[in-house]
Amino acid sequence: ELKVEQNPLFLSMQEGKNYTIYCNYSTTSDRLYWYRQDPGKSLESLFVLLSNGAVKQEGRLMASLDTKARLSTLHITAAVHDLSATYFCAVEEDSNYQLIWGAGTKLIIKP
Amino acid sequence: ETGVTQSPTHLIKTRGQQVTLRCSSQSGHNTVSWYQQALGQGPQFIFQYYREEENGRGNFPPRFSGLQFPNYSSELNVNALELDDSALYLCASSSGQAYGYTFGSGTRLTVV
Repeated sequence: ELKVEQNPLFLSMQEGKNYTIYCNYSTTSDRLYWYRQDPGKSLESLFVLLSNGAVKQEGRLMASLDTKARLSTLHITAAVHDLSATYFCAVEEDSNYQLIWGAGTKLIIKP
Repeated sequence: ETGVTQSPTHLIKTRGQQVTLRCSSQSGHNTVSWYQQALGQGPQFIFQYYREEENGRGNFPPRFSGLQFPNYSSELNVNALELDDSALYLCASSSGQAYGYTFGSGTRLTVV
């Protein structure tokens, strides 16, 4: 059974600092997604990572995928308050196309 | 280009009742998935439809059923509602794995 673990689950940081969220998963897959969710809102797609070594960047966020280590990272550079949200990683299971989700990382960025 | 739209946005039902939730997928998307998200948790996969056929199902009982129509819109039906069915139900559509999934704003279902 595919399991996805995120850490940390909660992160409070100051504006201007850098930090990384980690996403580990338990079986082979080469399709991983990062989403953002604001309180009471739906899920916003951030990155689609489809191969080993994939790296994508958008603004202050950068995501990478290492399928051999079964690890993805979401790196935040020089955080700003607007990035406060809950971030989820999700891994697509080969057998039935379902996305298996991490528990989410609640990120609070203080001015 | 319209996104994924879901209706209704909020719904209150009594235990034992039945409910139908609706989803209009994004233009050009032939795949639709449904997820249940309890408060403070990640979404749980219910099932997925591709060109009107169910092609994946999560660990949900048969009282959760669905349909996809020729225009790729979709319904989620839940029979014999239980209190634990209270959650945010999310619909997501896709035109292929390489493009990811676009989520609707969800239906908040409360069972009392």
